[in-house]
Amino acid sequence: EVVLTQSPATLSLSPGERATLSCRASQSVSNNLAWYQQKPGQAPRLLIYAASNRATGIPARFSGSGSGTDFTLTISSLEPEDFAVYYCQQRSNWPPLTFGGGTKVEIK
Amino acid sequence: QVQLVESGGGVVQPGRSLRLSCAVSGFTFSTYAMYWVRQAPGKGLEWVAFISFDGSNKFYAGSVKGRFTISRDNSKHTLSLQMNTLRAEDTAVYYCARGFCPGGTCSSYFDYWGQGTLVTVSS
Repeated sequence: EVVLTQSPATLSLSPGERATLSCRASQSVSNNLAWYQQKPGQAPRLLIYAASNRATGIPARFSGSGSGTDFTLTISSLEPEDFAVYYCQQRSNWPPLTFGGGTKVEIK
Repeated sequence: QVQLVESGGGVVQPGRSLRLSCAVSGFTFSTYAMYWVRQAPGKGLEWVAFISFDGSNKFYAGSVKGRFTISRDNSKHTLSLQMNTLRAEDTAVYYCARGFCPGGTCSSYFDYWGQGTLVTVSS
């Protein structure tokens, strides 16, 4: 089973700042990684797929990079609506499909 | 527009059964793989089950294998999850989700989710 480790667990930033979130896989997943955003009381929303492709309707301030075992989600300039929890998910070696434990981006 | 609406959650005693449903609309259900994903209160996301577009292939998380059964009725645009021998650790919000098919090539990411239905296993 591929274990995804996200860091940091919590990121405290101000609107307008840059957010850098990390996801590390226990073995190579090539580029088979996605990122999701989840706000309280809502279902997750797909942001990035195949490590670096933005899903439809996702603003350009969200970008993904990486391959193999190390991946990054960058939010170039935080908007108020971006404060949420972010999860990575791999689909390289499955079943099982696995998610990271999440990074909470909170307002500083 | 694409809609997924779960139902069937509730409070159930350990060892009992529950059946969740997900009614879909707004897309050609019979051409998409579907998934169940759950989230325990205050915790992260956990994939539960997969079913192929035609129901011929099914996979399960180890934590539910042998207890849960995923199924679909393409004529009724409905996805189901039969949950037997429920445990306290199955307590979660259960989401149905559609497999993501960018440019016609399908992948095991999730592009549309329902609002979730809460299952609480407690005596």
